[in-house]
Amino acid sequence: EDQVTQSPEALRLQEGESSSLNCSYTVSGLRGLFWYRQDPGKGPEFLFTLYSAGEEKEKERLKATLTKKESFLYITAPKPEDSATYLCAVNLNQGGKLIFGQGTELSVKP
Amino acid sequence: DAGVTQSPTHLIKTRGQQVTLRCSPKSGHDTVSWYQQALGQGPQFIFQYYEEEERQRGNFPDRFSGHQFPNYSSELNVNALLLGDSALYLCASSLGPGGNQPQHFGDGTRLSIL
Repeated sequence: EDQVTQSPEALRLQEGESSSLNCSYTVSGLRGLFWYRQDPGKGPEFLFTLYSAGEEKEKERLKATLTKKESFLYITAPKPEDSATYLCAVNLNQGGKLIFGQGTELSVKP
Repeated sequence: DAGVTQSPTHLIKTRGQQVTLRCSPKSGHDTVSWYQQALGQGPQFIFQYYEEEERQRGNFPDRFSGHQFPNYSSELNVNALLLGDSALYLCASSLGPGGNQPQHFGDGTRLSIL
């Protein structure tokens, strides 16, 4: 069964304390992996798409990487405004369906 | 540039009733997907519409149905509502149904079943 697992479920950081979030997947025929940020009461906001192992994408304090089994989202020197739930999702060679992980709730304290 | 818009933002229904949720895609997008998100969980795929046809469906019963209009907007209909249908319903739009383009989400409709 195609599955996406994120860890940890929750992460608490002090402002400036760098860390990483993990997204592991067991799927057949990965077409792309997507990272989203979701604030309370809002819809997911698109961050990155990764298509092949070895690919990296960066945006401000965030960097996403991809291997054949997992993706990491690195957060460098986080600020309180980075607090949100981070979701990863995979798209398979079967159309437009996204399979989401359960998310990592990140809290950054000043 | 207007993003994905959904209406209504909140809705309260009772068991057995029927509901219709609406979505307008981001400008330039022609494909709409619907997701259900329970509290504390990731979104679950319901179905996708492209060229006014259902192109792909997730593991949801026939009580869930949809429609896409010529202007690419879409509706999600749920019949015979159950308590377990209480969730945030998200609409996402993209350019093309293939899945290699990112999907952009609206802020959802919060549906509560009493």
